[in-house]
Amino acid sequence: QKEVEQNSGPLSVPEGAIASLNCTYSDRGSQSFFWYRQYSGKSPELIMFIYSNGDKEDGRFTAQLNKASQYVSLLIRDSQPSDSATYLCASNAGGTSYGKLTFGQGTILTVHP
Amino acid sequence: NAGVTQTPKFQVLKTGQSMTLQCAQDMNHNSMYWYRQDPGMGLRLIYYSASEGTTDKGEVPNGYNVSRLNKREFSLRLESAAPSQTSVYFCASSESPWGTQYFGPGTRLLVL
Repeated sequence: QKEVEQNSGPLSVPEGAIASLNCTYSDRGSQSFFWYRQYSGKSPELIMFIYSNGDKEDGRFTAQLNKASQYVSLLIRDSQPSDSATYLCASNAGGTSYGKLTFGQGTILTVHP
Repeated sequence: NAGVTQTPKFQVLKTGQSMTLQCAQDMNHNSMYWYRQDPGMGLRLIYYSASEGTTDKGEVPNGYNVSRLNKREFSLRLESAAPSQTSVYFCASSESPWGTQYFGPGTRLLVL
């Protein structure tokens, strides 16, 4: 069973809209969560990380974490065509498994003009 | 400051051949990682090194070996390549095991 599941894509939104990317995880011991963006043929690059329940905002991006529901999301406001990419959610279990990031399968986002 | 570098960028192997993928980081990070990425599978951890002198298996270690040569370098070896090892391989590093991981540009490997 995959430990990190992302909402099925691809996701298509018009320019200027809010894109909502969702992720659930099965390991209650997970300590921290990361959102990476990956352009086609490129390596993943970090967008945001979140450790605590609630919201964390950085520019147009907001990460939300709900540990009780084992749910992480990423909202992209005022979506731009340059946001078109695959978004990867990852969790870090901590404890003896610290360092072992578990990634979801990714959600492809397309922002159309 | 190059970050994480990987060599080679692309490699074609025949079944049974061996090769070593090289990774180096210049960020003075303690932890380093090797992942493979296959279509629809996301990134899967092969091996990681929490600190210099230590290595540990990840989710898919079979068919691979690693060496943490020093703090900067972490290599991945395929002793006898198989077509199932056709993939894109990413190296990453982080300041600590619970820190943000930064990825190299990747190595595309094709095993015929």
